[in-house]
Amino acid sequence: GQNIDQPTEMTATEGAIVQINCTYQTSGFNGLFWYQQHAGEAPTFLSYNVLDGLEEKGRFSSFLSRSKGYSYLLLKELQMKDSASYLCAVRDRDDKIIFGKGTRLHILP
Amino acid sequence: EAQVTQNPRYLITVTGKKLTVTCSQNMNHEYMSWYRQDPGLGLRQIYYSMNVEVTDKGDVPEGYKVSRKEKRNFPLILESPSPNQTSLYFCASRGAGAGGELFFGEGSRLTVL
Repeated sequence: GQNIDQPTEMTATEGAIVQINCTYQTSGFNGLFWYQQHAGEAPTFLSYNVLDGLEEKGRFSSFLSRSKGYSYLLLKELQMKDSASYLCAVRDRDDKIIFGKGTRLHILP
Repeated sequence: EAQVTQNPRYLITVTGKKLTVTCSQNMNHEYMSWYRQDPGLGLRQIYYSMNVEVTDKGDVPEGYKVSRKEKRNFPLILESPSPNQTSLYFCASRGAGAGGELFFGEGSRLTVL
């Protein structure tokens, strides 16, 4: 079956760095996405990886290892507004996008 | 402004009373999809559409219908809502680019009593 695993919750301190991991087992692979979702709002796109390696976008970076079925989202210089859920999603060989259950990130002052 | 628009944003209804949640996108996207989001279960796909007149079941299609008569619109129909359909619903569309990320509507919070 299709499975995407990520931690349910994480806590970090303002100004610090946090890494949110995601492992996946899907029917084929056509890319991995990270979305940010604030409580009660729509998910918004953060990053896309289809090749192995690190993609950097300002304070956010995303890493992919296809052979390990593994990705992480790295958030640097954490701000209070980064308190949100972070969703890992994989596009499988049938072009379907499957979501993990999300990681709720709490930022402490 | 590129967007996906859903209506209504909030709705309280009673068991058995048919309702429709509308979804419209202005990005000329071929792919559209409906998701429901429940605590602890994440986003689950209800139905999706690859193009006009083409729809397919997602992971949780029971109790829902959809139609795709025009490219921009993809309404979600609950013929006879039940309390287990109380949820937060998101419509999304996707472009044909290499990344093909989803653009989400603002969500429709539905309560069925």
